Amino acid sequence: DIQMTQSPSTLSASVGDRVTITCRASQSIRSWLAWYQQKPGKPPKVLIYKASTLQSGVPSRFSGSGSGTEFNFTISSLQPDDLATYYCQQYDTSSYSFGQGTKLEIK
Amino acid sequence: VQLVESGGGLAQPGGSLRLSCTTSGFNFGDYSVTWVRQAPGKGLEWVGFIRSETYGGTSEYAASVRGRFIISRDDSKSSADLLMTSLKTEDTGIYYCTRDVSYGSYLSYWGPGTLVTVSS
Repeated sequence: DIQMTQSPSTLSASVGDRVTITCRASQSIRSWLAWYQQKPGKPPKVLIYKASTLQSGVPSRFSGSGSGTEFNFTISSLQPDDLATYYCQQYDTSSYSFGQGTKLEIK
Repeated sequence: VQLVESGGGLAQPGGSLRLSCTTSGFNFGDYSVTWVRQAPGKGLEWVGFIRSETYGGTSEYAASVRGRFIISRDDSKSSADLLMTSLKTEDTGIYYCTRDVSYGSYLSYWGPGTLVTVSS
């Protein structure tokens, strides 16, 4: 099974900051990676798919990059509404797997 | 597109529970259904999925539940079930029913989740 390693596990930043989360796969997943945002008490919501494609309706301050085994998720200018936990997920194989999550806190 | 889980509740270790996922707003028979769970205060864990009949209607499971959980579907009712047997305390969590955007793709739609508690 493919293991997804996400870092950092917690991130504290100020409004307006640029923040980046990294996700590493234990083997190549080409570009079959999605990023999800989960707010407390809610199901996850997809923000990015195929590593860098922005889901319709998602603000352009969110972006993704990478391929193979290393991927980045960036918020260009952090907003108060971005308080959430973010997960990467690979869908290269039929046995999907998620990263451990990054809890984003607003200073 | 809507997915709604039901059937959660309290179960004893070693017991069984059946969750259901009722859907609407799309042609259910064209899509796979994936179950994802989340232990209290923890991250997301892929549980398994069932393919549409177009792709054989077969299922795949995470190693942690293989042999204990079974996913089934009833296209005539636009619903899918997750039968959980030989339950363990570590199976406690919120269970989400999800749908991909196309076969083998990311999970674009999620239900609100149903809470399963395994405790004596």
